[in-house]
Amino acid sequence: DSGVTQTPKHLITATGQRVTLRCSPRSGDLSVYWYQQSLDQGLQFLIQYYNGEERAKGNILERFSAQQFPDLHSELNLSSLELGDSALYFCASSAYGTGADTQYFGPGTRLTVL
Amino acid sequence: AQSVTQPDIHITVSEGASLELRCNYSYGATPYLFWYVQSPGQGLQLLLKYFSGDTLVQGIKGFEAEFKRSQSSFNLRKPSVHWSDAAEYFCAVGGNTGNQFYFGTGTSLTVIP
Repeated sequence: DSGVTQTPKHLITATGQRVTLRCSPRSGDLSVYWYQQSLDQGLQFLIQYYNGEERAKGNILERFSAQQFPDLHSELNLSSLELGDSALYFCASSAYGTGADTQYFGPGTRLTVL
Repeated sequence: AQSVTQPDIHITVSEGASLELRCNYSYGATPYLFWYVQSPGQGLQLLLKYFSGDTLVQGIKGFEAEFKRSQSSFNLRKPSVHWSDAAEYFCAVGGNTGNQFYFGTGTSLTVIP
């Protein structure tokens, strides 16, 4: 158990809808990362937050947004969902959010868009 | 730009045989290198990491990796594979400039009895 929690575990929704994925980092970790894992794209970095502020952005679509709250939990919002958004979404956390930090991964949220 | 290449998409080994998973990186400065393992339906778990010092790094579950700067490689090894090692293995690189973390595309390991 990494100490990172993600809810929900599974999510099934329809195209055009909006969903919110939630992540609670390990106790004491200030940085949260979001990744998308799909069969054709592999593990893609989406976005990183550190202590409430956006720190780095990867291959995140404009339809997706995220935030980190004062209690350090984070939410990833996916809107106008398309079939291609079906994937496993991972959250990871690290202590200081640097490249040297070990990232601890949550169990993931499996999103299915029908 | 930073990048990580795992040349082998899929590897099959017999239980008890030795294993080497390849990882090549591209990074302008001294990289921080990681190996993660993902079991089916699970999140990623850190096996080992290299920051500096001894180029041979020991990790959990009997894995080790060797950093070779001249070859830009960080290959993962295990002397004797167990059936429970069947999983997806990811190499990753991070740096002290910039905050992004780059993962390779992964190598899927199958272990046959």
